[in-house]
Amino acid sequence: EIVLTQSPATLSLSPGERATLSCRTSQSVSDYLGWYQQKPGRAPRLLIYGTSKRAPGVPARFSGSGSGTDFTLTISSLEPEDFAVYYCQQRNNNWPTFGGGTKVEVK
Amino acid sequence: QVQLQESGPGLVKPSETLSLTCSVSGASITWNYWCWIRQSPGQGLEWIGCLFDSGSFNYNPSLKSRATISKDTSKNQFSLKLSSVTAVDTAVYYCAREGGGGYSGYDFVYWGQGILVTVSS
Repeated sequence: EIVLTQSPATLSLSPGERATLSCRTSQSVSDYLGWYQQKPGRAPRLLIYGTSKRAPGVPARFSGSGSGTDFTLTISSLEPEDFAVYYCQQRNNNWPTFGGGTKVEVK
Repeated sequence: QVQLQESGPGLVKPSETLSLTCSVSGASITWNYWCWIRQSPGQGLEWIGCLFDSGSFNYNPSLKSRATISKDTSKNQFSLKLSSVTAVDTAVYYCAREGGGGYSGYDFVYWGQGILVTVSS
């Protein structure tokens, strides 16, 4: 099983600030890394797939980067609706696993 | 558009079998990957398994063969059975589908709203 470690656990920022979220995998996952946003009481929403591809309808302020074992989700300028929990997910070896999540909260 | 809706009992007794159904509209379950994912406070998001358009399956090995996914194409539904449940199986269960063309098989684009299943006597 590939373990995903997200950091930080909580990120306290103000609207308009830049958010940088990290996801480290226990072994290389090539570019099979995605990011989800989840709001309370809702299902996760796919934001980024294949490390850096934005899903349809996802604003351009969301971007993904990285390779191998280190990946980053960047939100260039936080909007009020961006405060949520973010999860990374890999699909290498046909055994998808998720990270523990980073909560982006209002400072 | 593609819509998924979970249904089933919200309470299951320990050692019994959890049974859930996902009803699909806007797409045929004969194509794409159709999957189950759960989320519990203690264990976060956990992939359970997928039904492939080829008719084959892939399950999370950590569930030790307790999970079974089946389909009813006449009703455009797929189902999950999880046997020998314990309290650790208490979670919100989601059905989900990958995105299709351009995505890998495990990019979960479409999700149901989720159903809370509690394991308790």
